[in-house]
Amino acid sequence: DAMVIQNPRYQVTQFGKPVTLSCSQTLNHNVMYWYQQKSSQAPKLLFHYYDKDFNNEADTPDNFQSRRPNTSFCFLDIRSPGLGDAAMYLCATSRVTSGRLDPYEQYFGPGTRLTVT
Amino acid sequence: RKEVEQDPGPFNVPEGATVAFNCTYSNSASQSFFWYRQDCRKEPKLLMSVYSSGNEDGRFTAQLNRASQYISLLIRDSKLSDSATYLCVVNSMDSSYKLIFGSGTRLLVRP
Repeated sequence: DAMVIQNPRYQVTQFGKPVTLSCSQTLNHNVMYWYQQKSSQAPKLLFHYYDKDFNNEADTPDNFQSRRPNTSFCFLDIRSPGLGDAAMYLCATSRVTSGRLDPYEQYFGPGTRLTVT
Repeated sequence: RKEVEQDPGPFNVPEGATVAFNCTYSNSASQSFFWYRQDCRKEPKLLMSVYSSGNEDGRFTAQLNRASQYISLLIRDSKLSDSATYLCVVNSMDSSYKLIFGSGTRLLVRP
């Protein structure tokens, strides 16, 4: 089945120790997104890739970076995790075509729950 | 003002009840509207898109009121399995394919 996969599902890291979360998709969607979601809050968009073009949200901290080596994979790097970065990190994908009028739904992976000790 | 606002609930209803959630959005130019469902500690999953004419999918009915800038979700004949958080979602002001999520309305269906 076509899907969005995230690894690992649970990640524990130490304060200040770099960590990388990964996302892969078999949907062949051209846009990939990274969200941060804390308990009882809305998912917050960190950045997205439209094909190879990286788009950062204005309020995303510099501590967060991303890489997309190919269509299928996208990585979230947290350079120096702080206690406030503990959250669920969600990867999503969407197929965006120029001129399309239908709404662009997004499909989510199961998320990686990050704990910072 | 938040871009998407929802009553956090929880709505606590018995099985078989009808329950409705509303959501307001701030950008009058928004074109895409969705309801997503999120179970505890799981990812959001698309429940339904919301179209201008309103749409129905089984026990679920979504309505859009552009004049008042709100969307609604009606659930009929509630099941225990409907217990979840329902996220109202609208496209971002700066892009048709970036989505803004509400914080969600929590529904608890009791036996």
